[in-house]
Amino acid sequence: KAGVTQTPRYLIKTRGQQVTLSCSPISGHRSVSWYQQTPGQGLQFLFEYFSETQRNKGNFPGRFSGRQFSNSRSEMNVSTLELGDSALYLCASTSGRTNTGELFFGEGSRLTVL
Amino acid sequence: GENVEQHPSTLSVQEGDSAVIKCTYSDSASNYFPWYKQELGKRPQLIIDIRSNVGEKKDQRIAVTLNKTAKHFSLHITETQPEDSAVYFCAASMNFGNEKLTFGTGTRLTIIP
Repeated sequence: KAGVTQTPRYLIKTRGQQVTLSCSPISGHRSVSWYQQTPGQGLQFLFEYFSETQRNKGNFPGRFSGRQFSNSRSEMNVSTLELGDSALYLCASTSGRTNTGELFFGEGSRLTVL
Repeated sequence: GENVEQHPSTLSVQEGDSAVIKCTYSDSASNYFPWYKQELGKRPQLIIDIRSNVGEKKDQRIAVTLNKTAKHFSLHITETQPEDSAVYFCAASMNFGNEKLTFGTGTRLTIIP
Protein backbone atom coordinates (compact mmCIF):
# COMPACT_ATOMS: atom_id res chain seq x y z
CA LYS A 1 0.00 0.00 0.00
CA ALA A 2 1.50 3.35 -1.03
CA GLY A 3 2.13 5.85 1.73
CA VAL A 4 1.14 9.49 2.00
CA THR A 5 2.59 11.46 -0.90
CA GLN A 6 3.29 15.16 -0.79
CA THR A 7 4.31 17.43 -3.65
CA PRO A 8 6.39 19.38 -4.20
CA ARG A 9 9.06 18.25 -1.75
CA TYR A 10 10.98 21.52 -1.88
CA LEU A 11 10.09 24.98 -3.04
CA ILE A 12 11.39 28.50 -2.76
CA LYS A 13 9.12 31.53 -2.89
CA THR A 14 9.47 35.23 -2.23
CA ARG A 15 7.49 37.36 0.18
CA GLY A 16 4.05 38.25 -1.07
CA GLN A 17 3.72 35.25 -3.35
CA GLN A 18 1.32 32.40 -2.78
CA VAL A 19 1.91 28.67 -2.72
CA THR A 20 -0.17 25.53 -3.11
CA LEU A 21 0.90 22.21 -1.61
CA SER A 22 -0.62 18.87 -2.45
CA CYS A 23 -1.19 15.71 -0.44
CA SER A 24 -2.38 12.29 -1.57
CA PRO A 25 -3.46 10.15 1.39
CA ILE A 26 -3.14 6.42 1.79
CA SER A 27 -5.72 4.65 -0.32
CA GLY A 28 -8.96 4.32 1.64
CA HIS A 29 -8.11 7.07 4.11
CA ARG A 30 -10.70 9.82 4.18
CA SER A 31 -9.14 12.18 6.72
CA VAL A 32 -6.26 14.48 5.84
CA SER A 33 -4.69 16.86 8.32
CA TRP A 34 -1.93 19.41 7.88
CA TYR A 35 0.81 20.45 10.31
CA GLN A 36 3.49 23.11 10.19
CA GLN A 37 6.86 22.06 11.59
CA THR A 38 9.45 24.65 12.55
CA PRO A 39 12.58 24.32 14.72
CA GLY A 40 11.74 24.97 18.33
CA GLN A 41 7.96 25.03 17.74
CA GLY A 42 7.41 21.40 17.01
CA LEU A 43 4.37 20.47 14.96
CA GLN A 44 1.47 22.88 14.92
CA PHE A 45 -1.96 21.85 13.68
CA LEU A 46 -3.30 23.77 10.70
CA PHE A 47 -6.55 22.02 9.73
CA GLU A 48 -8.15 18.67 9.06
CA TYR A 49 -10.50 17.60 6.28
CA PHE A 50 -12.81 14.64 6.20
CA SER A 51 -15.05 13.81 3.26
CA GLU A 52 -14.35 17.20 1.66
CA THR A 53 -15.37 19.13 4.80
CA GLN A 54 -13.10 20.99 7.16
CA ARG A 55 -13.65 19.24 10.47
CA ASN A 56 -11.01 20.91 12.66
CA LYS A 57 -9.03 24.12 12.42
CA GLY A 58 -5.95 25.37 14.23
CA ASN A 59 -4.94 28.88 15.20
CA PHE A 60 -3.43 30.12 11.97
CA PRO A 61 -4.37 33.30 10.07
CA GLY A 62 -6.78 33.24 7.18
CA ARG A 63 -3.86 33.31 4.73
CA PHE A 64 -3.68 29.57 5.33
CA SER A 65 -6.46 27.63 3.67
CA GLY A 66 -7.13 24.17 2.42
CA ARG A 67 -9.53 21.92 0.64
CA GLN A 68 -10.18 18.28 -0.01
CA PHE A 69 -11.38 16.67 -3.19
CA SER A 70 -13.79 13.79 -3.66
CA ASN A 71 -10.88 11.36 -4.06
CA SER A 72 -9.60 12.49 -0.60
CA ARG A 73 -6.58 14.29 -2.04
CA SER A 74 -5.99 17.58 -0.29
CA GLU A 75 -4.34 20.87 -1.04
CA MET A 76 -3.30 23.68 1.23
CA ASN A 77 -2.68 27.21 0.10
CA VAL A 78 -0.76 30.02 1.73
CA SER A 79 -1.30 33.48 0.31
CA THR A 80 0.78 36.62 0.77
CA LEU A 81 3.77 34.67 2.01
CA GLU A 82 5.81 35.98 4.92
CA LEU A 83 9.35 35.08 5.96
CA GLY A 84 7.93 33.33 9.02
CA ASP A 85 6.02 30.90 6.82
CA SER A 86 9.27 29.11 6.02
CA ALA A 87 8.74 25.63 7.42
CA LEU A 88 8.22 21.97 6.70
CA TYR A 89 4.54 21.36 5.97
CA LEU A 90 3.47 17.87 6.85
CA CYS A 91 0.33 16.16 5.72
CA ALA A 92 -1.08 13.14 7.55
CA SER A 93 -3.90 10.77 6.80
CA THR A 94 -6.09 8.37 8.75
CA SER A 95 -9.21 6.46 7.96
CA GLY A 96 -11.16 9.07 9.90
CA ARG A 97 -13.17 6.51 11.79
CA THR A 98 -13.08 6.46 15.58
CA ASN A 99 -10.56 4.31 17.39
CA THR A 100 -8.00 4.60 14.62
CA GLY A 101 -5.69 7.10 16.31
CA GLU A 102 -2.48 6.80 14.32
CA LEU A 103 -1.55 9.55 11.91
CA PHE A 104 0.41 8.45 8.84
CA PHE A 105 2.62 11.33 7.79
CA GLY A 106 4.03 12.20 4.42
CA GLU A 107 7.64 13.30 4.00
CA GLY A 108 6.59 16.94 3.89
CA SER A 109 6.97 19.94 1.65
CA ARG A 110 9.81 22.21 2.69
CA LEU A 111 8.94 25.82 1.94
CA THR A 112 11.54 28.56 2.00
CA VAL A 113 10.35 32.16 1.78
CA LEU A 114 12.97 34.72 0.77
CA GLY B 1 -6.95 25.52 23.93
CA GLU B 2 -4.73 22.64 24.87
CA ASN B 3 -1.07 23.28 25.66
CA VAL B 4 1.55 20.54 25.86
CA GLU B 5 4.95 21.13 27.42
CA GLN B 6 7.80 18.67 26.86
CA HIS B 7 11.09 18.25 28.71
CA PRO B 8 13.97 18.00 28.24
CA SER B 9 14.57 19.53 24.82
CA THR B 10 17.79 17.54 24.42
CA LEU B 11 18.89 14.33 26.10
CA SER B 12 22.08 12.30 25.76
CA VAL B 13 22.40 8.85 27.28
CA GLN B 14 24.96 6.08 27.12
CA GLU B 15 24.00 3.10 25.01
CA GLY B 16 22.29 0.56 27.21
CA ASP B 17 21.05 3.11 29.73
CA SER B 18 17.44 4.27 30.06
CA ALA B 19 15.91 7.50 28.76
CA VAL B 20 12.87 9.31 30.13
CA ILE B 21 10.98 12.13 28.43
CA LYS B 22 8.21 13.98 30.26
CA CYS B 23 5.18 15.93 29.06
CA THR B 24 2.47 17.89 30.79
CA TYR B 25 -0.86 18.94 29.33
CA SER B 26 -3.27 21.66 30.34
CA ASP B 27 -6.75 20.48 29.35
CA SER B 28 -8.22 17.81 31.59
CA ALA B 29 -10.56 16.85 28.72
CA SER B 30 -7.64 15.39 26.76
CA ASN B 31 -7.87 11.62 26.72
CA TYR B 32 -5.47 10.37 24.06
CA PHE B 33 -1.69 10.68 24.26
CA PRO B 34 0.51 9.40 21.43
CA TRP B 35 4.28 9.55 21.05
CA TYR B 36 5.91 10.07 17.66
CA LYS B 37 9.51 9.45 16.67
CA GLN B 38 11.14 11.45 13.90
CA GLU B 39 14.53 10.35 12.62
CA LEU B 40 16.70 12.89 10.87
CA GLY B 41 15.18 13.86 7.53
CA LYS B 42 12.30 11.43 7.88
CA ARG B 43 8.61 11.61 8.64
CA PRO B 44 7.22 11.31 12.19
CA GLN B 45 6.01 7.82 13.05
CA LEU B 46 3.84 6.64 15.91
CA ILE B 47 5.75 4.50 18.39
CA ILE B 48 3.27 4.11 21.23
CA ASP B 49 0.06 5.68 22.50
CA ILE B 50 -2.09 5.57 25.60
CA ARG B 51 -5.70 6.43 26.41
CA SER B 52 -6.83 8.11 29.58
CA ASN B 53 -8.47 4.96 30.95
CA VAL B 54 -5.06 3.26 31.17
CA GLY B 55 -2.20 4.15 33.51
CA GLU B 56 0.67 2.40 31.75
CA LYS B 57 1.39 0.67 28.46
CA LYS B 58 4.48 -1.24 27.36
CA ASP B 59 5.80 -2.39 24.01
CA GLN B 60 9.13 -4.19 24.26
CA ARG B 61 11.70 -1.57 25.35
CA ILE B 62 9.24 1.31 25.26
CA ALA B 63 6.69 2.24 27.91
CA VAL B 64 4.40 5.17 28.52
CA THR B 65 2.88 6.18 31.86
CA LEU B 66 -0.01 8.55 32.43
CA ASN B 67 -0.97 10.46 35.57
CA LYS B 68 -4.35 12.06 34.91
CA THR B 69 -4.49 13.80 38.26
CA ALA B 70 -1.20 15.59 37.68
CA LYS B 71 -1.85 15.87 33.95
CA HIS B 72 1.47 14.48 32.89
CA PHE B 73 2.69 11.53 30.89
CA SER B 74 6.12 10.11 30.24
CA LEU B 75 7.98 7.99 27.71
CA HIS B 76 10.48 5.47 29.02
CA ILE B 77 13.01 3.75 26.76
CA THR B 78 15.10 1.01 28.33
CA GLU B 79 18.32 -0.60 27.07
CA THR B 80 18.81 2.21 24.58
CA GLN B 81 20.40 1.48 21.22
CA PRO B 82 21.98 3.77 18.58
CA GLU B 83 18.85 3.49 16.42
CA ASP B 84 16.87 5.15 19.21
CA SER B 85 18.62 8.44 18.35
CA ALA B 86 15.86 10.71 17.01
CA VAL B 87 13.50 13.53 17.96
CA TYR B 88 10.55 12.38 20.04
CA PHE B 89 7.27 14.28 20.19
CA CYS B 90 4.51 13.82 22.70
CA ALA B 91 0.98 14.90 21.84
CA ALA B 92 -2.51 15.13 23.27
CA SER B 93 -6.01 15.21 21.87
CA MET B 94 -9.53 15.25 23.23
CA ASN B 95 -10.90 12.39 21.22
CA PHE B 96 -9.19 9.21 20.27
CA GLY B 97 -9.36 9.24 16.52
CA ASN B 98 -9.55 13.04 16.47
CA GLU B 99 -6.85 14.11 14.12
CA LYS B 100 -6.31 17.45 15.86
CA LEU B 101 -3.25 16.71 17.94
CA THR B 102 -1.45 19.26 20.08
CA PHE B 103 2.24 18.39 20.03
CA GLY B 104 5.02 19.16 22.44
CA THR B 105 8.12 20.90 21.10
CA GLY B 106 10.16 17.71 20.87
CA THR B 107 13.13 16.06 22.58
CA ARG B 108 16.29 15.33 20.65
CA LEU B 109 17.61 12.05 22.04
CA THR B 110 21.21 11.11 21.32
CA ILE B 111 22.51 7.67 22.20
CA ILE B 112 26.25 7.69 22.89
CA PRO B 113 27.95 4.43 21.79
